[in-house]
Amino acid sequence: AQKVTQAQTEISVVEKEDVTLDCVYETRDTTYYLFWYKQPPSGELVFLIRRNSFDEQNEISGRYSWNFQKSTSSFNFTITASQVVDSAVYFCALRPNTNAGKSTFGDGTTLTVKP
Amino acid sequence: GAVVSQHPSRVICKSGTSVKIECRSLDFQATTMFWYRQFPKKSLMLMATSNEGSKATYEQGVEKDKFLINHASLTLSTLTVTSAHPEDSSFYICSARDPSVFGQGTRLTVV
Repeated sequence: AQKVTQAQTEISVVEKEDVTLDCVYETRDTTYYLFWYKQPPSGELVFLIRRNSFDEQNEISGRYSWNFQKSTSSFNFTITASQVVDSAVYFCALRPNTNAGKSTFGDGTTLTVKP
Repeated sequence: GAVVSQHPSRVICKSGTSVKIECRSLDFQATTMFWYRQFPKKSLMLMATSNEGSKATYEQGVEKDKFLINHASLTLSTLTVTSAHPEDSSFYICSARDPSVFGQGTRLTVV
């Protein structure tokens, strides 16, 4: 069975602050993918990143960075110098690396960035 | 990049009627598509996996006769909510390819 836990239900920060969204997962699969998505108020899901379980290198994309720690089953997401436009619900997801792999989503973290 | 187009984005229908939601892959072929449902302030719940040319695979607890899925071509999957009731009101979203690519979602309101 798979499980994704995003313990932070809501986070509120002031613009320009750094913020880290936590994601902890459980899986029995040896290979899998981890994802982060952004869902702004308009509702569409925006793909942010996919990480293969074999690749534990951290990744940085502009103000976004991801810290994958296989030893602690965590895949945390940090936004540096947050902006109001970052306000959204962020979902972490896990998918086993099989043809029939189904994705499991966390409950999401609502991030509010105040000006 | 790959794009999935979902229509309509919003629909309001009367109780007892059926509503069809389309999900199209615009620049790639998708033998498999996924349909999710999202309740307000909740996570995405996988409803079914749509397979081109064969029957959809439904998740436990999802009524097959209520939520009809058809994947008639490599670029189109449809979800039909039959005999809709107010409790079917929700945000429905499809995805393809991993799911790295999501449609825009459909907000269904049954009155």
